[in-house]
Amino acid sequence: AQSVTQPDIHITVSEGASLELRCNYSYGATPYLFWYVQSPGQGLQLLLKYFSGDTLVQGIKGFEAEFKRSQSSFNLRKPSVHWSDAAEYFCAVGARAAGNKLTFGGGTRVLVKP
Amino acid sequence: NAGVTQTPKFQVLKTGQSMTLQCAQDMNHEYMSWYRQDPGMGLRLIHYSVGAGITDQGEVPNGYNVSRSTTEDFPLRLLSAAPSQTSVYFCASSYSGAQGYGYTFGSGTRLTVV
Repeated sequence: AQSVTQPDIHITVSEGASLELRCNYSYGATPYLFWYVQSPGQGLQLLLKYFSGDTLVQGIKGFEAEFKRSQSSFNLRKPSVHWSDAAEYFCAVGARAAGNKLTFGGGTRVLVKP
Repeated sequence: NAGVTQTPKFQVLKTGQSMTLQCAQDMNHEYMSWYRQDPGMGLRLIHYSVGAGITDQGEVPNGYNVSRSTTEDFPLRLLSAAPSQTSVYFCASSYSGAQGYGYTFGSGTRLTVV
């Protein structure tokens, strides 16, 4: 069975500073990996996804993530955070062989200081 | 607009009442699933379906029932509502292909059981 761990429950970052959100997964085969963002009271928005190929994935809103198989990680980064990036971020791993089920991490809430 | 439609958006139930959360997609996706979101726990899979007539349990299926009579619809039934079922519910549909797969989420149903 797959699992996802997001070690940081909350992160506070100053506007303009860089941001890195950690994600570690467990899955027995090649994973499909996703990052979603959720603003308060809103639904999920896909930031980026990884299936295969280049391990550095570019997403929307200036985000990128790097897949590291040796570390079972898929960390999300942004070089310069904007106040509008304050939200909750979820990492997820997909299992095509198991009915396309997605397993989510517990989420990381990002607060942006002016 | 193509996508996943969930109804209702908000619902208050009394303990012991039953209700059905509706989910419909118009993208001809094979896979559909239901998740619940609770603070600090990310999204957890309730039930999923790999095609019309085929459903299976996810991580937290107790107290919920599903059926999939058509490709488009995947209703979630609460048999006898309990306060522990107070949550935000998301329906999702997904495709699977040679380039990997993707998910489309509905906007969610916020359910309160009193």
